[in-house]
Amino acid sequence: TQLLEQSPQFLSIQEGENLTVYCNSSSVFSSLQWYRQEPGEGPVLLVTVVTGGEVKKLKRLTFQFGDARKDSSLHITAAQPGDTGLYLCAGGRNYGQNFVFGPGTRLSVLP
Amino acid sequence: EAQVTQNPRYLITVTGKKLTVTCSQNMNHEYMSWYRQDPGLGLRQIYYSMNVEVTDKGDVPEGYKVSRKEKRNFPLILESPSPNQTSLYFCASSLSIQYEQYFGPGTRLTVT
Repeated sequence: TQLLEQSPQFLSIQEGENLTVYCNSSSVFSSLQWYRQEPGEGPVLLVTVVTGGEVKKLKRLTFQFGDARKDSSLHITAAQPGDTGLYLCAGGRNYGQNFVFGPGTRLSVLP
Repeated sequence: EAQVTQNPRYLITVTGKKLTVTCSQNMNHEYMSWYRQDPGLGLRQIYYSMNVEVTDKGDVPEGYKVSRKEKRNFPLILESPSPNQTSLYFCASSLSIQYEQYFGPGTRLTVT
């Protein structure tokens, strides 16, 4: 059983479309990070959110942390082929000192 | 250049033959960890270390060992590899648990 669930698992869209991916859990996290991973490489951090209800924007990407710090969303406006990749959310737990990752959303943006 | 390095990048071995995957970071980070990545399961943490001589189990530690004798190095040891340990392995480091994790390039391990 995954502690963090992500949806959708796969997403294929045309350039210029908007999309939202979700990261959900029944557990509370002290912080939540979003990473993007490209084939043959390690994940690279996009953003960290720590406060319930927090919204962060990174150019065309908008990240939101749920009020209860159990879920998060990533919204991409006007997607571009360069946004193609595997998007991973990762939660830092209140107890212990380890991270847990979701299974990822594989995004393909077609030109 | 700030980086996390892993060696080897690719390894094919046989069941039961001990192996070590090395990990080194040059950012003076205290927190280091090992993950394995399998299709549909995402990244699962194997072991982590909060500082020298301080290590702890992650979510899937069975069949693995680690050590942290120096701050920069965090090797992953498979004493008796089995086929179910065939996977893509990543080492990562960060200032501490709440900060950005920097990942190495990955080691693709196949155990036959």
